[in-house]
Amino acid sequence: GAGVSQTPSNKVTEKGKYVELRCDPISGHTALYWYRQSLGQGPEFLIYFQGTGAADDSGLPNDRFFAVRPEGSVSTLKIQRTERGDSAMYLCASSLIWGNEQFFGPGTRLTVL
Amino acid sequence: SQQGEEDPQALSIQEGENATMNCSYKTSINNLQWYRQNSGRGLVHLILIRSNEREKHSGRLRVTLDTSKKSSSLLITASRAADTASYFCATDMSGNQFYFGTGTSLTVIP
Repeated sequence: GAGVSQTPSNKVTEKGKYVELRCDPISGHTALYWYRQSLGQGPEFLIYFQGTGAADDSGLPNDRFFAVRPEGSVSTLKIQRTERGDSAMYLCASSLIWGNEQFFGPGTRLTVL
Repeated sequence: SQQGEEDPQALSIQEGENATMNCSYKTSINNLQWYRQNSGRGLVHLILIRSNEREKHSGRLRVTLDTSKKSSSLLITASRAADTASYFCATDMSGNQFYFGTGTSLTVIP
């Protein structure tokens, strides 16, 4: 079907607020990844899901960041008490299984004022 | 720190020329992937090479992998203006993490 979609495409929030970023992977893809990309840098790994479980969340910068994938499809990245340093492009990708080519969504640009 | 580092950081060539960019990484891997990112857009997968492979081709792309040197190269032949983009290598590490390099910014001048 369609590719990976992410909503919203842009999110502007104030310091201290809570935000949720959504990712709809390609149907049937069991692996889902979240990355963060700052300008001029490569994507930085945050978390990887295999099915419903977070197989590796070692890339999450601190406990303000949390992600879920309750039914093994859609995933939500949640950021509490946002800080200006959280401003970045947040990318989601999915693959059929771990290690296969990843299909990326267009990203959510988060700006924390 | 980044697992993968691309070299050069920026490359500017004339249309029709070949472009070569390199990626070095630090630890053993299962596979290495190359991705392209056009300005302001998502990443697109180009090619995957496994640790037991030494060379792979896809259209105008040629990728090599030298696990003894922990390095890979991406060659784009007969470049086109549409090849203008940033190119990243990505490596999987033991565990479940993927690491992207800092990227090579390629400009192809028509």
